[in-house]
Amino acid sequence: KAGVTQTPRYLIKTRGQQVTLSCSPISGHRSVSWYQQTPGQGLQFLFEYFSETQRNKGNFPGRFSGRQFSNSRSEMNVSTLELGDSALYLCASSSRVAASTDTQYFGPGTRLTVL
Amino acid sequence: AQKITQTQPGMFVQEKEAVTLDCTYDTSDQSYGLFWYKQPSSGEMIFLIYQGSYDEQNATEGRYSLNFQKARKSANLVISASQLGDSAMYFCAMREGRNTGFQKLVFGTGTRLLVSP
Repeated sequence: KAGVTQTPRYLIKTRGQQVTLSCSPISGHRSVSWYQQTPGQGLQFLFEYFSETQRNKGNFPGRFSGRQFSNSRSEMNVSTLELGDSALYLCASSSRVAASTDTQYFGPGTRLTVL
Repeated sequence: AQKITQTQPGMFVQEKEAVTLDCTYDTSDQSYGLFWYKQPSSGEMIFLIYQGSYDEQNATEGRYSLNFQKARKSANLVISASQLGDSAMYFCAMREGRNTGFQKLVFGTGTRLLVSP
């Protein structure tokens, strides 16, 4: 079974631009969560999508948004990029079926650099 | 608020030796899940092991075992017979809630493990 895939793997943008990151979950998984990883703040939860609806949201400004498509693929968008948005963005998928043992499996991440 | 604490920024171990990575957590919820992930330099987070708050037995997955002490709120990862490929960052994480309504993981700051020949 193929794992979680993320595209692109690397991105370089300048301040003020916007960016879209893509995530394809493991086949059969319907939940996709996004995390931001920075040296200063560590790993932080951005949001989770399930059945094309945002279910949980972390403490990030409205510049960070996302969506999920009917095939469970998800995109994350960051508008008006700031230098502090430079980070590794990780996507994770889960089946959201077995409540007590549901595990999130992560993709390789997209490394975003904002200049 | 839930919190994960990993007090060891770095650990060194020789190949074939066992190593314990510490993790303590804080939560007011009675139902929660604890996870360990490995992150090599490539960046991908690799799931290692899971422990539910109601599980009576310590979780084991191959060379990985979790020393779960609920009263102390600790969930230490034990890696037996370390291998060179175990060199990586290790993160402890917690998910609150027993139902699937909570998918948010809270992570610790991680421990960098270096395995020497």
